[in-house]
This record gives sequence, C-alpha cells and structure tokens, in this order.
Amino acid sequence: SQQGEEDPQALSIQEGENATMNCSYKTSINNLQWYRQNSGRGLVHLILIRSNEREKHSGRLRVTLDTSKKSSSLLITASRAADTASYFCATDASSYKLIFGSGTRLLVRP
Amino acid sequence: NAGVTQTPKFQVLKTGQSMTLQCAQDMNHNSMYWYRQDPGMGLRLIYYSASEGTTDKGEVPNGYNVSRLNKREFSLRLESAAPSQTSVYFCASPGQGYTEAFFGQGTRLTVV
Repeated sequence: SQQGEEDPQALSIQEGENATMNCSYKTSINNLQWYRQNSGRGLVHLILIRSNEREKHSGRLRVTLDTSKKSSSLLITASRAADTASYFCATDASSYKLIFGSGTRLLVRP
Repeated sequence: NAGVTQTPKFQVLKTGQSMTLQCAQDMNHNSMYWYRQDPGMGLRLIYYSASEGTTDKGEVPNGYNVSRLNKREFSLRLESAAPSQTSVYFCASPGQGYTEAFFGQGTRLTVV
C-alpha cells in the first residue's frame, strides 16, 4: 500500500477561494514534499518541509506538518484557474525511497 | 541543461514483446527512480538506484528489470509485456539529501 494518502481525492473551488488538501502517512520520515502535476505531464516540485519544521510558506503556498499525527496539509491561497492540477505528497519513508501518495485533483473554476 | 530525459515518449507493444525504457540525467545526481502511474492514480515506485552500481526493488517490481549503466543512465526493461503494464512511466532523480526530485516527461506505454 502507498505511504501517503491524500484527502480529498478531488476538490472543486471557485477562483479566488482557498484550497486545502491533506496528506497522511504511515512511517517516520525525514522530510515531506508536495508536487504538482498538470494533466499528462511530469511532476513539478512545489515545497519541502523537514520533520523538525511545523510550517513553511512559499508564495501562495502554506504547508504544515504534524509528525505526531503523521499528517501534512497544503493550502493554496487566492486560487487561480491555472492552479488546476493534481497535487501529490511524497515522503522518504525509508532509506532512499521516495514514496508518493494517491493525489488530490484540484479544479479551480473561473 | 536538460534535467531528466526519457525515451521513447510513446510506445505500443503486443503482449509478450520486450522493450527497454531509457532515462538519462545531466545533474550529476546519485539517485534515480522509476515510477508507474495508472489513470487517475498516484505514482508507484518500481525500482530505484541510490547510487551508481546499486539497484533496489520498490513497491511494484514484478515484471520489470533495471540497469544503472553509469551515473547518468538508468534503464527499465519489460521482458515480456502484459496488458497490466499499460501505464505512464516516469523516471525521476532527486537532489542531494533527497530533496527536490526532477522528473522526466514520461513514457506512455500501451500493451495490447
């Protein structure tokens, strides 16, 4: 089974609204990353948060990490139609392995 | 600086045929990965290579073999393709300390 599970599986919001997606994982990690995938394309790295960090910001992105609950959230503020994509969390679950979750499909309606 | 390059971009195979997917990175990274992504799903790790000369199984290695030819190249081989291997295959290479992973554009494989 996959290390990370995103929630919700799909999310539809209006442009300008905030989008929040969550990731839960099973084992201890060194860091957790979020990636974005436009339809049919390769993944693009968005942000990395280390296990000793609780929150991180990058532009309109805000990531939180709760290692006690083994969960993370990605918040995209003031969403745009161009944010429409799938978003994945990834964890280094064990030595050298980078394991991805099942993803959240985000649709931002103009 | 091309990053991660995969070939081919598209391939159709008949059941039982074999093929090799090629991946090369020009970032001087130690690690390289092969993933598959089925429609509407996340990425599943097939094999990975932590450094030149080493390879290890990931989550779904059955039906595949890999070769880490040198530091730049990591190939994935399907010895006898099956329809269940129809998928999009991605090669990736993380930076030092397993930070940002750079992805190729994918190979869309159909086995009929």
